[in-house]
Order: sequence, then structure tokens, then C-alpha cells
Amino acid sequence: SQELEQSPQSLIVQEGKNLTINCTSSKTLYGLYWYKQKYGEGLIFLMMLQKGGEEKSHEKITAKLDEKKQQSSLHITASQPSHAGIYLCGADRGYKGNAGNMLTFGGGTRLMVKP
Amino acid sequence: EPEVTQTPSHQVTQMGQEVILRCVPISNHLYFYWYRQILGQKVEFLVSFYNNEISEKSEIFDDQFSVERPDGSNFTLKIRSTKLEDSAMYFCAGRQWWGEKLFFGSGTQLSVL
Repeated sequence: SQELEQSPQSLIVQEGKNLTINCTSSKTLYGLYWYKQKYGEGLIFLMMLQKGGEEKSHEKITAKLDEKKQQSSLHITASQPSHAGIYLCGADRGYKGNAGNMLTFGGGTRLMVKP
Repeated sequence: EPEVTQTPSHQVTQMGQEVILRCVPISNHLYFYWYRQILGQKVEFLVSFYNNEISEKSEIFDDQFSVERPDGSNFTLKIRSTKLEDSAMYFCAGRQWWGEKLFFGSGTQLSVL
């Protein structure tokens, strides 16, 4: 099965600082998804990366997938208290026909932003 | 943006009781999923559902669990005889196709006493 390791497990930053969260896979990533979860709530989709070397940005968040498609990073620029939450990476396996094709998730990175 | 709707948001039950968690997926989605997250742990896959049948299930999804989508809209997860260790947040999710964005509901927090 595909294992996703996220680092760090938790992070406390001062408001305004930049930060990076990493997601590493034991196998090639066919699709890498980043979600944000607030405590006790659902998962909010942030970005999806599918091609080696791909980079996407939305507001102050940038996600990259490396050329080998085994590692992704999520970078937040000038962090704000609203960025606080748990960031999860999820991965697609290769296409399996009509079989499950579910995402598997990393353990999450808990981000706190101090005002 | 369309939403996946889950009810109830919280469910408290006694051990051994049956519970049904309900989800209304987005109308044009074809794949449906249940995930769960025990407090402080990973989001874990339970089951996927396509073309009105289970397409894959995890080891967690044993005989005590079942899913159905009887009327083409509501997608339900039933736990026949709940155990203490079933206490978790249960998420319904759906997407149109492999490689597409997976939409999650806001979850049902199940507490088994």
C-alpha cells in the first residue's frame, strides 16, 4: 500500500513568517492532493498536482510536486492566523478500473500561527 | 460550489446499538466513499462505492459495516452493532472520476458509550 509521510507533524510560526510542509511517498504519486482541516470539521480541498515538476498557487499557498513524483511540498508565504489548521496530503494510486480508486492520506501537519 | 451533505453532525449511541450515517453526494459524482478519523489519527479509508456496489473496502470495513444508495441520492453507512472503538469522525466523499478532485462532507462525529 502507499504510505505517505508528512513532516513536520506540528508547526508553530509567528504571523507573517513563511513555512513549508512536506509530503513524501514510498511509491510514485499519480495524483497528489492537499487538504486543510480545521479541528472537528471536514476536509477543504486546496490543490491537486498530477505532473512531475508541477507547481500551483492559490493566494499565499504554493504546492509543488517534484520531478520524480515522490515528494510534494506546501509553502505558505506570510502566514496569517487564518492559515491555522491541519494540512493533509492525499495520494491517488494508479488507475484501477472501476475499483475503489480512493485517496490515501498522510498523518497531517498541525499548524498554529501566533499573532 | 456544490457540497456533500452529511447528517447528523453528531451521533451518540450505546454500545451494541445500530447507527446509520447519511450522506447526500453531489449529483454528478460517480464514485462515493466513506472515510473515518479517530481522534488524533489519520484519515482512514473504509469503503468505495461505484455503480451501486462496493468496489473496494479496507480491513476496517468488516461484517458490522454496510453501505447502500437505495434511491440514487442518499448514500448511507450502517454500523450494525457499535463498539467503543467505532467512535470517530466519519466522512462521506465523492468524485466524478479517478484523478478528479475528491469532495468531502463536513463529517458525522460518532460517539459510542
